[in-house]
Amino acid sequence: GNSVTQMEGPVTLSEEAFLTINCTYTATGYPSLFWYVQYPGEGLQLLLKATKADDKGSNKGFEATYRKETTSFHLEKGSVQVSDSAVYFCALSDGSARQLTFGSGTQLTVLP
Amino acid sequence: DSGVTQTPKHLITATGQRVTLRCSPRSGDLSVYWYQQSLDQGLQFLIQYYNGEERAKGNILERFSAQQFPDLHSELNLSSLELGDSALYFCASSVHHEQGVRTDTQYFGPGTRLTVL
Repeated sequence: GNSVTQMEGPVTLSEEAFLTINCTYTATGYPSLFWYVQYPGEGLQLLLKATKADDKGSNKGFEATYRKETTSFHLEKGSVQVSDSAVYFCALSDGSARQLTFGSGTQLTVLP
Repeated sequence: DSGVTQTPKHLITATGQRVTLRCSPRSGDLSVYWYQQSLDQGLQFLIQYYNGEERAKGNILERFSAQQFPDLHSELNLSSLELGDSALYFCASSVHHEQGVRTDTQYFGPGTRLTVL
């Protein structure tokens, strides 16, 4: 079946540091890949997505590239801000089954 | 604001009781999904409806059921509640197809936090 493995958290960084959150997946088909972010006390917000191999999703300074050869979709940001503190979820949607399969989430705290 | 609304925001009830959670999808979206977020299980898919019909089932207990109405809003019914059902329940919606291109992008509501005492 489908599965998503995320880097264990929590991750604590200083403001302006470089961020990488690793995500690898297992899927039977050709999935779409997503990063969602959950701010404290809120629901999930779509951060970025990629629907085919070598696609790069980007939003608000965050980027992730769909790597089929390594089955990965790592999230990166060059310079994090305190406002980026949140829980980040990697997810996939298999073409045959529309539901999302989520990773366990990575808590990010950015200190001023 | 994703455009997906959920009510109520919080629900506190006792074991053995039954509750109904409500979701209104984004305007134009035909698919509704329900997810459960708990500390021990993480985010898990429960069930999907498309234009009033059940399309996919995940790890949904037999005590739980859902439906989607003609106006496309959806309700998740949880019965014979147990302490372990305490969780955040999210609804998400997607258009299913955007401009002829298949898309899987789901937009999430703010969630209903259920506490079973």
